[in-house]
Amino acid sequence: EVHLVESGGGLVQRGGSLRLSCAASGFTFSSYAMSWVRQAPGKGLEWVSAIGGSGDTYYADSVQGRFTISRDNSKNTLYLQMNSLRAEDTAIYYCAKLPGESAYGWYSVWGQGTLVTVSS
Amino acid sequence: EIVLTQSPATLSLSPGERATLSCRASQSVTSYLAWYQQKPGQAPRLLIYDASNRATGIPARFSGSGSGTDFTLTISSLEPEDFAVYYCQQRSNWPRTFGQGTRLEIK
Repeated sequence: EVHLVESGGGLVQRGGSLRLSCAASGFTFSSYAMSWVRQAPGKGLEWVSAIGGSGDTYYADSVQGRFTISRDNSKNTLYLQMNSLRAEDTAIYYCAKLPGESAYGWYSVWGQGTLVTVSS
Repeated sequence: EIVLTQSPATLSLSPGERATLSCRASQSVTSYLAWYQQKPGQAPRLLIYDASNRATGIPARFSGSGSGTDFTLTISSLEPEDFAVYYCQQRSNWPRTFGQGTRLEIK
């Protein structure tokens, strides 16, 4: 069974940094694109970033230059390094698996999310 | 950036009724549109991809249609577990974008 477990969330001060992790199991991690999607409290979904199986990366304008997505295929883990955090980055961060190696697909499996709170 | 506008914001229906949710794109996304369901305290779940294809394990009462800029998610006969928030999302262009959601509530 495919399983995604996020970790690394917590309370951080404005301007600080945090690294989120997403541990994957139940599939050949290196063969699939992955993504991060966030949801501010009581709000809708916002796409954050994606990484293809070949390592190509994509970012939302709101996080470009501040966030970095990466993957360690030897550890079956996806990461999101978040720097220069702002109050508006406060959200639940979900990792999601795409149906193939390309980052151009859909978000077919989701983790349960990890909460990031940026205090001002 | 492609803007997706969902309507209505809230839909109040009773179990057994038919639900019709709309998603309109600010420019054509051809058929590259998906629908997700989210229940309180849970992660989203993929229902429909590429406008009209049901994801694995999704009941047949869920169907999607449309192309270009206008899309519809139809739930033919509402079950109690279908009351949730529904989001559309496009994969035609970067950045990927979601609609603001339609809340389907019990009347």
